[in-house]
Amino acid sequence: SQQGEEDPQALSIQEGENATMNCSYKTSINNLQWYRQNSGRGLVHLILIRSNEREKHSGRLRVTLDTSKKSSSLLITASRAADTASYFCATRMTTDSWGKLQFGAGTQVVVTP
Amino acid sequence: SQTIHQWPATLVQPVGSPLSLECTVEGTSNPNLYWYRQAAGRGLQLLFYSVGIGQISSEVPQNLSASRPQDRQFILSSKKLLLSDSGFYLCAWSVSASANYGYTFGSGTRLTVV
Repeated sequence: SQQGEEDPQALSIQEGENATMNCSYKTSINNLQWYRQNSGRGLVHLILIRSNEREKHSGRLRVTLDTSKKSSSLLITASRAADTASYFCATRMTTDSWGKLQFGAGTQVVVTP
Repeated sequence: SQTIHQWPATLVQPVGSPLSLECTVEGTSNPNLYWYRQAAGRGLQLLFYSVGIGQISSEVPQNLSASRPQDRQFILSSKKLLLSDSGFYLCAWSVSASANYGYTFGSGTRLTVV
C-alpha cells in the first residue's frame, strides 16, 4: 500500500506562476523526500526534509513539513516550461531499518509557455 | 562521481519467456540497491532491496526474483514472464540505510510482455 498520497493528481499552470502540491502520509517518518520524473525517465531527487525540520529551500523549491498533520507541501516558484514533469513524495518510515522509501502516486504538472 | 547504469532501455518479450534486467553502480562501494516497478500513471512499487552481496529482501510475492552477485551489480530476473509483469522498472541506489540520503535512480527499463 502507498504511504504517501499527493494532491492534486494533476496541475496545469502558466509559465511564471507558482505550483503547489501536497503530500499526506500515514505513519511516523524519519524523513520525507520529493522527486521529479520527466516522461519516460528515471526519478531525480529534489529535496529531503527531516522529521525535525519544518521548512527547507533549494533554488525555486520550497518544502514544508507538518508532522502533526502528517503532511508536506512542495512549492515551485516562477515555474518554467522545463518544470513540466511528475512530482512524487516519498517517505522513510521510522520503523524501517533498510533505507526503504514508500512513494505516492505523484502529481503531474504541466507548465504552459 | 557516482553513476548508475540500467539496461536495456526497452524490452518486448513474449509471455513465458525469461527476463534479465541489469543494474550497475559506479563510484561507490557497498551501496543499498533497490528495484521498483511503476505501472502507467502510477506511483512506484518496491519489489526488492539489498544491503549487501547476496542479501536480498522481497517486498511482494510475485513472479520475479533478484540477485546481487557483486557489490555494485543488481539483477532482476524471471523464469517465465506474465502479462502482468509489464511496466517500467527502475533501479536505484542509496549511500546508507541509516542516514538521511536520497536515492539515485537509473533511467529505467520499459518492459512490455506480449
